[in-house]
Amino acid sequence: GAVVSQHPSWVICKSGTSVKIECRSLDFQATTMFWYRQFPKQSLMLMATSNEGSKATYEQGVEKDKFLINHASLTLSTLTVTSAHPEDSSFYICSALDRDPHQPQHFGDGTRLSIL
Amino acid sequence: QKEVEQDPGPLSVPEGAIVSLNCTYSNSAFQYFMWYRQYSRKGPELLMYTYSSGNKEDGRFTAQVDKSSKYISLFIRDSQPSDSATYLCAFYNAGNMLTFGGGTRLMVKP
Repeated sequence: GAVVSQHPSWVICKSGTSVKIECRSLDFQATTMFWYRQFPKQSLMLMATSNEGSKATYEQGVEKDKFLINHASLTLSTLTVTSAHPEDSSFYICSALDRDPHQPQHFGDGTRLSIL
Repeated sequence: QKEVEQDPGPLSVPEGAIVSLNCTYSNSAFQYFMWYRQYSRKGPELLMYTYSSGNKEDGRFTAQVDKSSKYISLFIRDSQPSDSATYLCAFYNAGNMLTFGGGTRLMVKP
């Protein structure tokens, strides 16, 4: 089945640091990737939709300058949390959509971000 | 009214029991119906995916969709402790935007 790789799986860093998370589709070309955030015991909250070669579309309430998304190729999207603060600590998950619009999204294993 | 309603649980069952997980939805535009399983600190894993009313079976899992009632179910037969996880129903339409339920936490006790 389709595999989406997300890296790193866990990162701990000091407040004010910028953190980059990578999301790769390993065996298919993903024209669209999604970034979600999940708090403990809650469902996934969509942050932004990323299309290859164009600007990401952010959901209401998500700061574009805070969460920088780049989708430079059909297999890689990155999320950079800029100047991270403790309130940015969360579980970040990406998903990727195949070119076939009838196929479901496949998710990465998530990145646990802890800001001290 | 929420677009998707899912009982958060937790649902605790003994090993070997049949588990029934349910979601109701209000958006008639939803075309695809999915169930994801999520273990703690992992990404969601696709379990079942269907686009029509009726039943779809895969091993111990059966997904049931009733579009007229806007109701979907996931049945797990012969439940195992390894099935303990959070189960998320999910829906999407032609825009490819996924709408998730809140998730039901399942615990299968040996």
